[in-house]
Amino acid sequence: AQSVTQLGSHVSVSEGALVLLRCNYSSSVPPYLFWYVQYPNQGLQLLLKYTSAATLVKGINGFEAEFKKSETSFHLTKPSAHMSDAAEYFCAVSESSGSARQLTFGSGTQLTVLP
Amino acid sequence: DVKVTQSSRYLVKRTGEKVFLECVQDMDHENMFWYRQDPGLGLRLIYFSYDVKMKEKGDIPEGYSVSREKKERFSLILESASTNQTSMYLCASRRGRGELFFGEGSRLTVL
Repeated sequence: AQSVTQLGSHVSVSEGALVLLRCNYSSSVPPYLFWYVQYPNQGLQLLLKYTSAATLVKGINGFEAEFKKSETSFHLTKPSAHMSDAAEYFCAVSESSGSARQLTFGSGTQLTVLP
Repeated sequence: DVKVTQSSRYLVKRTGEKVFLECVQDMDHENMFWYRQDPGLGLRLIYFSYDVKMKEKGDIPEGYSVSREKKERFSLILESASTNQTSMYLCASRRGRGELFFGEGSRLTVL
């Protein structure tokens, strides 16, 4: 079984400040982990993914995430927020082996960027 | 450019109507998925398909059915729409254990 917890349904940061969105997961086998972004009235777009290579993963738009097995975490960061980063962000987990084919998503974090 | 296309962006239907939501992908992916998205609840899996004519129930299959007659097409069917099925519906596809590719979504309102 797999699950994802995103701490904080709403996060506000000032433009230029650090963005930190938290994600903790549980998985019975080594996981694959994903961060997606969703802008209003659009589908989800992949930001980055961890598939058991480097633990620090760089994605699009200046975002990165670090896989920490001991903490079962995959937090998303960006050094300096931009107004265009305002969106909803979803963390997702998938099993890297076994029969399950689906991703399980967290409930999402709405990021607001203040001028 | 890879693409998942959902046939309707916005639909308005009446209670009891039959509703078809169509999804087509051009990436030759074997796995296709239908999710439902509601505020505060994230994405919940309705059904998925891992091959033509094969399907599996997700977390919330009640009130829905699916059809996959061709590899590139996965349809979601609401046999008798109800107001509690008003939602955003997202189709996605995936090769193996890679990332999901999403369509733009279909926002359904049931009156």
